[in-house]
Amino acid sequence: DQQVKQNSPSLSVQEGRISILNCDYTNSMFDYFLWYKKYPAEGPTFLISISSIKDKNEDGRFTVFLNKSAKHLSLHIVPSQPGDSAVYFCAARVFGNEKLTFGTGTRLTIIP
Amino acid sequence: DTAVSQTPKYLVTQMGNDKSIKCEQNLGHDTMYWYKQDSKKFLKIMFSYNNKELIINETVPNRFSPKSPDKAHLNLHINSLELGDSAVYFCASSLGLAAYNEQFFGPGTRLTVL
Repeated sequence: DQQVKQNSPSLSVQEGRISILNCDYTNSMFDYFLWYKKYPAEGPTFLISISSIKDKNEDGRFTVFLNKSAKHLSLHIVPSQPGDSAVYFCAARVFGNEKLTFGTGTRLTIIP
Repeated sequence: DTAVSQTPKYLVTQMGNDKSIKCEQNLGHDTMYWYKQDSKKFLKIMFSYNNKELIINETVPNRFSPKSPDKAHLNLHINSLELGDSAVYFCASSLGLAAYNEQFFGPGTRLTVL
């Protein structure tokens, strides 16, 4: 039962343009969402998060949008840079529960 | 200075063997985790310890036994290894039991069972 889904396994974007990564979830009890970035042979690193009481959170070039009614969130990266090439994982948790449920990731490639 | 470290980075072994993976964090965190990333790239939690006590134990075969000698260490021992145990295992840590504590991951241990 895959409660967090990233339906695009890969995405290629021109350098300087906007990258949009999408994530859908099925469990309505999720109330905190995170994005992690992973380079090859390294562990995931935290990028940005959003609580369900918000619909947008911004940190520099990264913005996460949450649409609770659609059970959908997205990560926007603008402008995209070559160093952004990595696998991006969406994750979600239920309040008070340490367990993170991850999506299967989207491989983002920034084309110079 | 590595925050969450794991050893070994690669582990190749025969079916039926017993092996351990070690994890250490120098962040002063109270909570540590083990995750498994299988061939389909699912990253799934296996165990979580808070202050050396087990708090999350997902449906994992009892051949897997975590051990936390202190707050900074969470080791994973696997008995009677099977082919299906081949995966990348990630250790992680977080400040504690709060919804908004991000988890910091180690670099992973790639286990190959032949």
